[in-house]
Amino acid sequence: NAGVMQNPRHLVRRRGQEARLRCSPMKGHSHVYWYRQLPEEGLKFMVYLQKENIIDESGMPKERFSAEFPKEGPSILRIQQVVRGDSAAYFCASSPPRVMNTEAFFGQGTRLTVV
Amino acid sequence: GDSVTQMEGPVTLSEEAFLTINCTYTATGYPSLFWYVQYPGEGLQLLLKATKADDKGSNKGFEATYRKETTSFHLEKGSVQVSDSAVYFCALNSGGSNYKLTFGKGTLLTVNP
Repeated sequence: NAGVMQNPRHLVRRRGQEARLRCSPMKGHSHVYWYRQLPEEGLKFMVYLQKENIIDESGMPKERFSAEFPKEGPSILRIQQVVRGDSAAYFCASSPPRVMNTEAFFGQGTRLTVV
Repeated sequence: GDSVTQMEGPVTLSEEAFLTINCTYTATGYPSLFWYVQYPGEGLQLLLKATKADDKGSNKGFEATYRKETTSFHLEKGSVQVSDSAVYFCALNSGGSNYKLTFGKGTLLTVNP
């Protein structure tokens, strides 16, 4: 859905560098979710954030990965010291404040390639 | 844990052909089931959903019925169009939450004129 904006669309990083992925939710949405799609796999939930709060990070790798959703500005998914296995498509979704029975709208994704 | 298995692609059909994309699931409790579609260059969009057994979700000519006895949610369309070419994802909400989705791997559909 064009309303959720992710950038960049494609990102190439060398091993050991940092990757920063940005997600601007749809207007009026205060809930953001990050998913990762590894090659040949389905999307997998990583983290659920509200403004300035991490609600559920049960899908986040324990090391090198972090996410934030500040009061102002986009949500950021940060991957430190990237490795080849981090190459994947990262999707962001957002939903309005009332989460129950509401649809999450997805962005186009950021395709990260680690060389 | 929860999982979704969907038909591997790619699937190539001629316009006006009948489409079925199979989806089966494993889940604890009573999940809601979804089909998402990703058109070229766009984000995932919710195509249809069903929240309880025997419910039928429908949209844009696509249908899927929540079959608890066979743990399935197969996507069907009677007559596909070139504009239906996209990747289709089957999904369920996991672990009792209404925000954490578990997806299948996706099925690429190409419809030729």
